Amino acid sequence: SQTIHQWPATLVQPVGSPLSLECTVEGTSNPNLYWYRQAAGRGLQLLFYSVGIGQISSEVPQNLSASRPQDRQFILSSKKLLLSDSGFYLCAWSEGTSGGREQFFGPGTRLTVL
Amino acid sequence: QKEVEQNSGPLSVPEGAIASLNCTYSDRGSQSFFWYRQYSGKSPELIMSIYSNGDKEDGRFTAQLNKASQYVSLLIRDSQPSDSATYLCAVSTGGFKTIFGAGTRLFVKA
Repeated sequence: SQTIHQWPATLVQPVGSPLSLECTVEGTSNPNLYWYRQAAGRGLQLLFYSVGIGQISSEVPQNLSASRPQDRQFILSSKKLLLSDSGFYLCAWSEGTSGGREQFFGPGTRLTVL
Repeated sequence: QKEVEQNSGPLSVPEGAIASLNCTYSDRGSQSFFWYRQYSGKSPELIMSIYSNGDKEDGRFTAQLNKASQYVSLLIRDSQPSDSATYLCAVSTGGFKTIFGAGTRLFVKA
């Protein structure tokens, strides 16, 4: 069966500090990978998605970036965090090379920027 | 802008009752529809997917889709206190973007 991991689970960072969140998927090959952010009491905002190694699509212009160095690894980064970057960051995966499929979420990282 | 609208709630129902959660979407080209459950502080968990008009049943859950009305709903029969959560409606046009609603909070009173 497939498993998705995210770490760390919680993170408190000062404004202006860098960020690196990691997501890995087990039990599947060539998944589509996604990064979402959920602000308190809000819906999910798609940040990035990737259909393969080195292929990243950005949905929201901001100070975040994403990379996919390996098939089942997806990394979210920032060089300098802003207060507005606080939120619940979720990694998700879906099967296949086409869209419109079910997405399965990791446990998430709760980021607080102070 | 493509949107998915849900009543934020809270929707409160007594234990054993049917909970009815509703969702409307703006993009007529939408092809895939999903319901997720999210407990407080946790990540969303997929509970139902539906792709064609009509009803789809899975245990106590029934998803209903009406593409002409751009409407999708989730019925939870025999509601239990453990069903208390936020329910997210999600819609995809078949591409890699899935649009999520802000969710409806459900409270099931024991």
